[in-house]
Amino acid sequence: QVQLVESGGGVVQPGRSLRLSCAASGFTFRSHGMHWVRQAPGKGLEWVAFISYDSTNTYYADSVKGRVTISRDNSENTLYLQMNSLRPEDTAVYYCAKVLYDFSMDVWGQGTTVTVSS
Amino acid sequence: SYDLTQLPSVSVSPGQTASITCSGDGLGDKFASWYQQRPGRSPVQVIYQDTKRPSGIPERFSGSNSGDTATLTISGTQAMDEADYYCQAWDRSGYVLFGGGTKLTVL
Repeated sequence: QVQLVESGGGVVQPGRSLRLSCAASGFTFRSHGMHWVRQAPGKGLEWVAFISYDSTNTYYADSVKGRVTISRDNSENTLYLQMNSLRPEDTAVYYCAKVLYDFSMDVWGQGTTVTVSS
Repeated sequence: SYDLTQLPSVSVSPGQTASITCSGDGLGDKFASWYQQRPGRSPVQVIYQDTKRPSGIPERFSGSNSGDTATLTISGTQAMDEADYYCQAWDRSGYVLFGGGTKLTVL
């Protein structure tokens, strides 16, 4: 079945870096755009970044632009999120999500938790 | 910046119809999607392209989008529908937005 499995979360000090991964299976990964979406504790969903199926287009939320890079390896069916200069406000559960139509998200992973704290 | 506005909470009695709205300037000119999130779980898409239901989503979930408002309607609401619901849209610059979420209480 279609599955997305995130990994790479953890506790990190402010200013440090972290790379999240999302392993995809059960569908043709190279044919679909992908998103990262996060959710701070007790808060709503916040879109973070998007990458097109062939990596030619990437878009970022203003809150992370310049600090975060989304990328993908279609040969490995894996999506990445490189996060630099982390801030306490980046503390959240990070989800990867598969694009269906019009940037909407038809499949979500279980999430990986990032905690930025000294 | 473009915002999507949702009421923080909506209550409905079992078996009744729940309407959850999402407002934004010219939202009717964009495609809206809706997601259900139960406590401690990942979001699940329940509506995409304004009115379409993904496979496996019950027929009691329906959507509409016109003017400045998109609406998620749940007919014959069940206790299992109690959850947070988020609307989502995108603009042509590639910016994706979520509404703030609506907590649906079935009581």
